[in-house]
This record gives sequence, structure tokens and C-alpha cells, in this order.
Amino acid sequence: GAVVSQHPSWVICKSGTSVKIECRSLDFQATTMFWYRQFPKQSLMLMATSNEGSKATYEQGVEKDKFLINHASLTLSTLTVTSAHPEDSSFYICSARDPRGRNQPQHFGDGTRLSIL
Amino acid sequence: AQTVTQSQPEMSVQEAETVTLSCTYDTSESDYYLFWYKQPPSRQMILVIRQEAYKQQNATENRFSVNFQKAAKSFSLKISDSQLGDAAMYFCAYRSAIRGGSEKLVFGKGTKLTVNP
Repeated sequence: GAVVSQHPSWVICKSGTSVKIECRSLDFQATTMFWYRQFPKQSLMLMATSNEGSKATYEQGVEKDKFLINHASLTLSTLTVTSAHPEDSSFYICSARDPRGRNQPQHFGDGTRLSIL
Repeated sequence: AQTVTQSQPEMSVQEAETVTLSCTYDTSESDYYLFWYKQPPSRQMILVIRQEAYKQQNATENRFSVNFQKAAKSFSLKISDSQLGDAAMYFCAYRSAIRGGSEKLVFGKGTKLTVNP
């Protein structure tokens, strides 16, 4: 079964609203989570690394005031797209690093399809 | 910075045949992980196989195997006895294994695999 839950799976909202996406690790504590964005027929682009109890680390070119990340607990990270506009429409995927074992694999959520009208 | 290159945007294979997807990478690190992920139309990210750089033996998972050539920085995926359900986007990814190093996954641009009945 899924070890990382991402919610919602699909959201449609009006331009100017803010949208929050949740990423939960279900059976492990994730000190580190990652947020990706994927445009149609393209690869995953890392937006930011979310660290529990500290500020997120954003990739170059990603607006931190636009994409707010909060990692307030060891099992939950949230991405809030503030004042969303049509160009923010995309597929957003989170992953969580499982600290158990040497490989420390990353488990992915099922993604969120965001459509801004 | 590490880079991952997938030179085949699209590949096709006949059902029950074998296909090989190519991936090369560039890094100056000595310890790292390599992954192949599958992304079907549902857009879930599914881990297919992983390889630890310090292991010389090529990883295998049922019908999936890799040809890891560390000196050449090559990491190809072989799918044997292809099935219709193998049709998907396949992403090659790199992650550092250096203690204190970056934990983020670096993805290639992907290869779209079509399986013909």
C-alpha cells in the first residue's frame, strides 16, 4: 500500500485563490520531503526540499513567496500556492525520504493536478 | 552539478520482446545511487530498480535488469518479455550517497515506452 499520501489529487480553483497541498508519510517519520513540479510530457523538476522544523531550501528560480512550504511535523509537509494564476497550473508531486536503512529510498505521493481558471 | 541524460525520447517494443533504455550521467562523486522510475498514465512514480554505485553486480528485479558501467557512467535498463502494462514513461535518476551530501533526486528527461501487441 501507499506509504506517502498526497491530498488533494485534483483541484480546480479560480485565479487569485491560494491552494494548499498536503504530503503525509504514513508509516515512517520523514525529516526530509521534496516537492516537484511536472509539466505535460516533461520530467520532474525539483522545486524545494522541505526540512522538518526549519526553512525549506528552494531551487534556483522558484519563488519562495509564491510557493510556501511548511514542514511542521515529522509526517506532514504542505505546499501552498499563493494567489494562484493559470500559469501555476501543473502537476505537483511530493516525495518523502524514508530514513530507515542504508538506501533511504524516496517514496512518492500520487501527485496533485492543479488547474487554475 | 550532477546531470542525467536519456537520449531516447521514445522507444517501442513488441509484446514479449526485449527492449533496452539508455541513460548516462555525469558526476564527480564516488558514492551514489541510480534509479529507474516508471510513470504510467496515472502519473504515479513507481520505483522499478535501483543500483548502488559501490556494487559491481548489476541489479535485477524479475524482468527488469540494468547494465551498470561505472567507468563509462552508463546505466541502461533492460526489460525482458515486455508486457502491455510496461507501457509508460521511464525516468532515470541519480542521488548522492555522500554523507552530508544532497539528498535530492536528479532526473533525466524520460523515455516514453510503447508496447505493441
